[in-house]
Amino acid sequence: DTEVTQTPKHLVMGMTNKKSLKCEQHMGHRAMYWYKQKAKKPPELMFVYSYEKLSINESVPSRFSPECPNSSLLNLHLHALQPEDSALYLCASSQHRGNTEAFFGQGTRLTVV
Amino acid sequence: GENVGLHLPTLSVQEGDNSIINCAYSNSASDYFIWYKQESGKGPQFIIDIRSNMDKRQGQRVTVLLNKTVKHLSLQIAATQPGDSAVYFCAENKGNMLTFGGGTRLMVKP
Repeated sequence: DTEVTQTPKHLVMGMTNKKSLKCEQHMGHRAMYWYKQKAKKPPELMFVYSYEKLSINESVPSRFSPECPNSSLLNLHLHALQPEDSALYLCASSQHRGNTEAFFGQGTRLTVV
Repeated sequence: GENVGLHLPTLSVQEGDNSIINCAYSNSASDYFIWYKQESGKGPQFIIDIRSNMDKRQGQRVTVLLNKTVKHLSLQIAATQPGDSAVYFCAENKGNMLTFGGGTRLMVKP
C-alpha cells in the first residue's frame, strides 16, 4: 500500500464553521506533512510532524490546528477560516523527516464562503 | 529571500520528442534537489532526486542535471508521451524541509 488517503475530497464551509481534514497512510512512514496549494502555484509547507510530534510550524495562523493522533493519522482542524484560505490542502508522508521521496494524497479542495 | 524558481511556465512538445524543463535556484546550501510531477486533480508525485554533490542522475526515461556553477537544475524526459502531460515542480530539501519552486506545465501534442 503506497497510498496517502485524504478525506473529504471536497469541502465547503462557512467562516463560522469548524471542520477537520483527515489524512491516513499505512506505509510505516514516521514523517507527515500538511501543504497548502493555491491555483497555479506550488505547494507551500504548513506543518511537519516527525514521530507524532510537531517539528515545524511555518508561521501558520492559529485558525489551522494540526493533530497527529498516531503514526498513521494526521488531522487538520479548521476554525473561523477566511475566504482567502480556500485552496487545495495536501497531506504527504515520508519514511522520516527530510526524506526526499514524499508521497502525497490527492488533496482536499476547500472552499470558504 | 532564497527561492527555487522556473524559467518557463508552459512547455509544448510533440509526442516522441525529448522535453527539457528548467529550474533556477538561489539556495546553495540545499542537500538535495528533486523533481515532482502533478497531474490535474492529483497530488504531486516524486520523479527523481539528485544529491547536491552530483551533477547527473538517470532514471527510467528521465535524467536530472545539476549545474552548481550557474545554480541551474533541469529535467530531461526522453520520448515524451501523452501521459507525461502535467505540471512539473522542482523542489529543494534543506534542513529537512521540502520547498517547491514555481512549476512548469508540460503539454504533449499528439
